[in-house]
Amino acid sequence: DTEVTQTPKHLVMGMTNKKSLKCEQHMGHRAMYWYKQKAKKPPELMFVYSYEKLSINESVPSRFSPECPNSSLLNLHLHALQPEDSALYLCASSQVGTGTEAFFGQGTRLTVV
Amino acid sequence: SQQGEEDPQALSIQEGENATMNCSYKTSINNLQWYRQNSGRGLVHLILIRSNEREKHSGRLRVTLDTSKKSSSLLITASRAADTASYFCASRGIQGAQKLVFGQGTRLTINP
Repeated sequence: DTEVTQTPKHLVMGMTNKKSLKCEQHMGHRAMYWYKQKAKKPPELMFVYSYEKLSINESVPSRFSPECPNSSLLNLHLHALQPEDSALYLCASSQVGTGTEAFFGQGTRLTVV
Repeated sequence: SQQGEEDPQALSIQEGENATMNCSYKTSINNLQWYRQNSGRGLVHLILIRSNEREKHSGRLRVTLDTSKKSSSLLITASRAADTASYFCASRGIQGAQKLVFGQGTRLTINP
């Protein structure tokens, strides 16, 4: 199984809502990532978890709160988002280490209204 | 920042022609990877080249790496309509190797 599964595929939320994005992999990868991608732009790294611990936070606003409850799951909790946060949110996983490729999910397309 | 530039930003060619995309990066890297993205969905890993390698092949793909110029190129030979996609290079640095940082990308269109 080389899949990274993200749910939901689409999400529309109001600025006062709280929602969560979910990501799951069963490849035994111990590094998991969240990226944000705006239209016609490259993915921008948000967070990296390594062995279920947050290892990189790219100065992401606190309205985005990541969580890694176990080695297969990664969540991104959303609260009080702004319309400019509308984007494609991509989850990825890889082996921990330098010479490793990442496997991406299909993303959650988020619209904040 | 590791993130560099890719050129061209957009490339449109006829089916059967070769497509070449270039990528530059800023800091020393452990490896450089190329990914493909169809229609703004998930990215698919294509090929990885390590910093001590100069060229690598995989099927119709050929990647080169010039660490002295901090640049890489991806060549797709005998292009097909199904190759239409956005192509991104991504690098893992020597320091902070858990970071996988993407270049700006090239939008490739193959015309039948």
